[in-house]
Amino acid sequence: DADVTQTPRNRITKTGKRIMLECSQTKGHDRMYWYRQDPGLGLRLIYYSFDVKDINKGEISDGYSVSRQAQAKFSLSLESAIPNQTALYFCATSDFPGYEAFFGQGTRLTVV
Amino acid sequence: GNSVTQMEGPVTLSEEAFLTINCTYTATGYPSLFWYVQYPGEGLQLLLKATKADDKGSNKGFEATYRKETTSFHLEKGSVQVSDSAVYFCALLLSQGGSEKLVFGKGTKLTVNP
Repeated sequence: DADVTQTPRNRITKTGKRIMLECSQTKGHDRMYWYRQDPGLGLRLIYYSFDVKDINKGEISDGYSVSRQAQAKFSLSLESAIPNQTALYFCATSDFPGYEAFFGQGTRLTVV
Repeated sequence: GNSVTQMEGPVTLSEEAFLTINCTYTATGYPSLFWYVQYPGEGLQLLLKATKADDKGSNKGFEATYRKETTSFHLEKGSVQVSDSAVYFCALLLSQGGSEKLVFGKGTKLTVNP
């Protein structure tokens, strides 16, 4: 099984719909992250969490929310999806002090 | 602010050619530096890292040296293979106020032809 599992892998949704992307990890790490990847823009941080009670905004948090349900689970929600949120979304986890980040395989989201 | 600039791609090479992908950074403080690789259809995975000046990270024939004087961390491989075709991301990690965040470059797509 993968260390970091994202569901769904692909999703097409309509403008205005609420959608949740889920992430679970088996690494036992406290730190979890959500990134968005767009062509030519690299990865940009949406939200991050250093433990269950700690949630922080990243550089592009507008239009997104997150929930850290447990150490192993970190979900990303789009309350009202819009077309410019069409992107590849990655969940990641890391440990201190190694700082190596382990990524899921990504969720390709299309908003029509 | 903290940022990473890497050479724009795509880069196309023949098998056994020499590879260099340039990466420079801007950071307040002393970051750790990383190269991540993304193979088609997969997430990113760590390729190599260096945590202080003059450190050399190496893995799978790839190397990069942390150059503080030139704020660079260029990725090199002496002889690329078709299986090296992927997108390569340079990244920095900086600790600030008890928080650590990875900042990524935009990625460089490498295609290696037989």
